[in-house]
Amino acid sequence: EAGVTQFPSHSVIEKGQTVTLRCDPISGHDNLYWYRRVMGKEIKFLLHFVKESKQDESGMPNNRFLAERTGGTYSTLKVQPAELEDSGVYFCASSPGQGSAQHFGDGTRLSIL
Amino acid sequence: DQQVKQNSPSLSVQEGRISILNCDYTNSMFDYFLWYKKYPAEGPTFLISISSIKDKNEDGRFTVFLNKSAKHLSLHIVPSQPGDSAVYFCAASTGNQFYFGTGTSLTVIP
Repeated sequence: EAGVTQFPSHSVIEKGQTVTLRCDPISGHDNLYWYRRVMGKEIKFLLHFVKESKQDESGMPNNRFLAERTGGTYSTLKVQPAELEDSGVYFCASSPGQGSAQHFGDGTRLSIL
Repeated sequence: DQQVKQNSPSLSVQEGRISILNCDYTNSMFDYFLWYKKYPAEGPTFLISISSIKDKNEDGRFTVFLNKSAKHLSLHIVPSQPGDSAVYFCAASTGNQFYFGTGTSLTVIP
């Protein structure tokens, strides 16, 4: 079984530019989550999809962040325009059911210069 | 307003001895707790979980203990092995959103 895959693994962009992160969950997992970890801090929840619907987006920092999940399969997280404080590692996770253990991807390390 | 706290950023243990990692939480509505292990440049990997109706769950060398009155959980690894060296995150859930701690870096010395 393929795990959660994230692309790219690392992105370096300048402040003001746009970046799009992609996550492919484990096949059949209806639940998809985005998290962010700023260096040394906790892994912080951003949002949760159930299939193509946003179940909870209370963790999204502001309206510069836009997440989509086309057809309930892969998901994208767009940051536009990127700011310095957006730097960190963005993790995607998926699970078959709400509340069950989540399987994480290896993350995208985003660096804003 | 961090709801899950891991107050020890690092821990060193001799190979073969017991490793005890601790986690405290503030939200009494949490009903599911998990431990994840993370190697550098990889995502967290699920290790073990416990429901709030239990106070202990064991899986091989790994045991998680839950003390609801103290809002405290711990992960025991015995015997510790060098391959256990990693960052360990505890997480808690109310059934939907998961809250993670800041992690404890465990080093097992051969």
